[in-house]
Amino acid sequence: DAKTTQPPSMDCAEGRAANLPCNHSTISGNEYVYWYRQIHSQGPQYIIHGLKNNETNEMASLIITEDRKSSTLILPHATLRDTAVYYCIAPVYKYIFGTGTRLKVLA
Amino acid sequence: GAVVSQHPSRVICKSGTSVKIECRSLDFQATTMFWYRQFPKQSLMLMATSNEGSKATYEQGVEKDKFLINHASLTLSTLTVTSAHPEDSSFYICSATWGAQETQYFGPGTRLLVL
Repeated sequence: DAKTTQPPSMDCAEGRAANLPCNHSTISGNEYVYWYRQIHSQGPQYIIHGLKNNETNEMASLIITEDRKSSTLILPHATLRDTAVYYCIAPVYKYIFGTGTRLKVLA
Repeated sequence: GAVVSQHPSRVICKSGTSVKIECRSLDFQATTMFWYRQFPKQSLMLMATSNEGSKATYEQGVEKDKFLINHASLTLSTLTVTSAHPEDSSFYICSATWGAQETQYFGPGTRLLVL
């Protein structure tokens, strides 16, 4: 699996966009980038994934750089319920979870 | 869609007893299921991968005789923690997927406390 690195924590004001970065400089050409989040004491929740192109769904947008060495998850209008640990993963057959980014949305 | 359930949600047992945790895919057929363990303030660690009808593949350092995994049907996998000890107390989470896709759908987790 490509090793991913994320900042340990971030704060975001409620209603503002939360931009969560992830570095995956060793990713290979056919490895997707997945984002999950884990709210306290729950199982991880799938958010979005992508390969090369930017992706958007009802939860978030995913921006992948052209060289695919990094990506950014964007929550366009963060709410208090978005407070969670966000994981960026580039799997090959299995998931290796890093430490993720603990996002705290502030009222 | 793609809902995964776990039972029980939490369990307390005495040291030396065995505990079985069930993982079910409710609206799809899971060709592959995964079991993870998460200690407090740590990330998820993959324990094993199981394909329906096959023996599970365990990650390095995970004792297969202690953590018995059965994936007998396309909707059910079980993890049995045999002769549980206090150090086995943890949050156990399963996930499931189908076909060749890599997206995993996670269950809500089972919190095990061994006294």
